[in-house]
Amino acid sequence: KQEVTQIPAALSVPEGENLVLNCSFTDSAIYNLQWFRQDPGKGLTSLLLIQSSQREQTSGRLNASLDKSSGRSTLYIAASQPGDSATYLCAVVYNNNDMRFGAGTRLTVKP
Amino acid sequence: AAGVIQSPRHLIKEKRETATLKCYPIPRHDTVYWYQQGPGQDPQFLISFYEKMQSDKGSIPDRFSAQQFSDYHSELNMSSLELGDSALYFCASTGEDYGYTFGSGTRLTVV
Repeated sequence: KQEVTQIPAALSVPEGENLVLNCSFTDSAIYNLQWFRQDPGKGLTSLLLIQSSQREQTSGRLNASLDKSSGRSTLYIAASQPGDSATYLCAVVYNNNDMRFGAGTRLTVKP
Repeated sequence: AAGVIQSPRHLIKEKRETATLKCYPIPRHDTVYWYQQGPGQDPQFLISFYEKMQSDKGSIPDRFSAQQFSDYHSELNMSSLELGDSALYFCASTGEDYGYTFGSGTRLTVV
């Protein structure tokens, strides 16, 4: 069964801290992995997309890594800001064109 | 840049009524996914279409049906609505680049 797990489920940090969100998946036959941000009641916003042949992607203060062999991805957020408060979702696209979401990590950055 | 268009943005229906949600994918994207997100929950995969054929089926109730048309837009038909169907319904599309793009969602409220 293709499962995606995100740890922790919730995270609260003071402003300015660097933090890491974790995503693990049980089936290594992935095509790509994508990190999304979701604000309450809003649609999903794509943050970073990593193809299976890549090891990491960077965008501004965000860095996502992918280790297919261990079934893990991390999203690193540098110098966190209150505006980063949201739920972060990891989504895995498998080679069979199916996609599975993790349950998300709810991040709160306190001023 | 063109995005995934979902309509309507908001919909209020009474129990036992029928609702139709529409999704217009990004041009040249041939795969459409439907997701349901209940309050405080992660998105649940409902159904997907590739080249107008159903490609996978998730936790979609028998009261729901969907299809993809020749212009690649998709419609999710929901009958005999129940209070528990109140949720945010997301559509996503992907193509050769497998860069998933989500619509802003349709918020369905069943009263």
